[in-house]
Parts: sequence; C-alpha cells; structure tokens
Amino acid sequence: SQKIEQNSEALNIQEGKTATLTCNYTNYSPAYLQWYRQDPGRGPVFLLLIRENEKEKRKERLKVTFDTTLKQSLFHITASQPADSATYLCALGAETSNTGKLIFGQGTTLQVKP
Amino acid sequence: DVKVTQSSRYLVKRTGEKVFLECVQDMDHENMFWYRQDPGLGLRLIYFSYDVKMKEKGDIPEGYSVSREKKERFSLILESASTNQTSMYLCASSLTRGDQPQHFGDGTRLSIL
Repeated sequence: SQKIEQNSEALNIQEGKTATLTCNYTNYSPAYLQWYRQDPGRGPVFLLLIRENEKEKRKERLKVTFDTTLKQSLFHITASQPADSATYLCALGAETSNTGKLIFGQGTTLQVKP
Repeated sequence: DVKVTQSSRYLVKRTGEKVFLECVQDMDHENMFWYRQDPGLGLRLIYFSYDVKMKEKGDIPEGYSVSREKKERFSLILESASTNQTSMYLCASSLTRGDQPQHFGDGTRLSIL
C-alpha cells in the first residue's frame, strides 16, 4: 500500500541555521508534492507545490527538492527563526484525478531555539 | 481572503449520539474534504466531494456519512458516535484542478464520552 514517511522525531535547531525536513514515499508515483505548515490548534496552511518534472522550487527562505528516483522530497528553511517553529506536513497528489485528493505524511515538528 | 469555517472548535458528545460537523467555504471551490487527525497517524481522509450531491469514500469512511446539498457547505455526520471517534476533525476545500492547494479550517476537537 502507499506509504509516506516523515521523521516522527522533532527536529531541534538553533536560530539562524538551515532546517532540513525529509519526506519519503513508497508504492506511489505522485504527479506533484505539496508542503504545508501547521501550528498548534490550527489547520494546515499551504506553503509550496513542486511537480514531478521539477527538481527544485524556492520561495523566500524556503526551498523544496523532489527526487522521483529516490522517492524523496527535502524541505529546507534557511536562516531559521523561532517563528518557523511548527509542524510541517508533506502531501502527495496524482494528476490523473481532478478531485485534488492528497495523501498526507504524519508531519515533522520543528523547534527553532533562539 | 480565502476562508473555511468549521462550526465548532470544541464539541463534547455522548456515545450513541448522532453528531453533525459543519463546514462552509467562501471561495466557490468545487472540491471539499473531511479529515481526521490523530497523533502519530497524521491526516486521514474520511470523505470528499467534487461537486454538489457528489461524494466519494476516503480511506476511513466507516461510521461516517456526508452531505453536500450546496456548493459552499459540506457536512460530516457520525451516525452513532463511539469513543474511538474522539479526534480532531479538519475540513478543507480546493479548486477542481488536481494540483491546487487545499485550504483548511481550524478544526473541531470532538470528544465522545
């Protein structure tokens, strides 16, 4: 069956460093991958989309890579700040459907210490 | 700005009750989704709808039903609530094209006693 794995252990880093979060998947060939941020008690908020024919996408301090051979996406936050502390979810989607249905990973919690 | 509103932030119900969770979006989105989120399990899709009166089962539909009579409103129904349905419930909506982001409400934390 389809499986998405994100590091279940919290990631703790010092302010100013680069945070790197991993999303691995098996038994699936996604057409695109999305990353979301979720704060405690709130719903997830969309951050970035990367398609299967794209290797890298950037948005301000965020960078996402997508390696369909390794079946892996990496999510980087450069010059991290305490305000970046949150849970980050990856989600996979198939272009074949117009329903917009996504499969979500369980998320990785990032803690940025001042 | 885009908005998905869930009717309650917190809800406490008793075992066996019929429970209604309401979700409204103001973005004229075709697709709407209901998820539950549990620690260590992530977001799991219960049901989704791609048009008015249209619905499809997600990964964990047992014990739930849905209703979409109007485009902006998507209701989740727990037919006979059980304690294992205690969870955070999240509603989302998106445009038809597959790679569009989903917009989420802030969730309903439901406790079944």
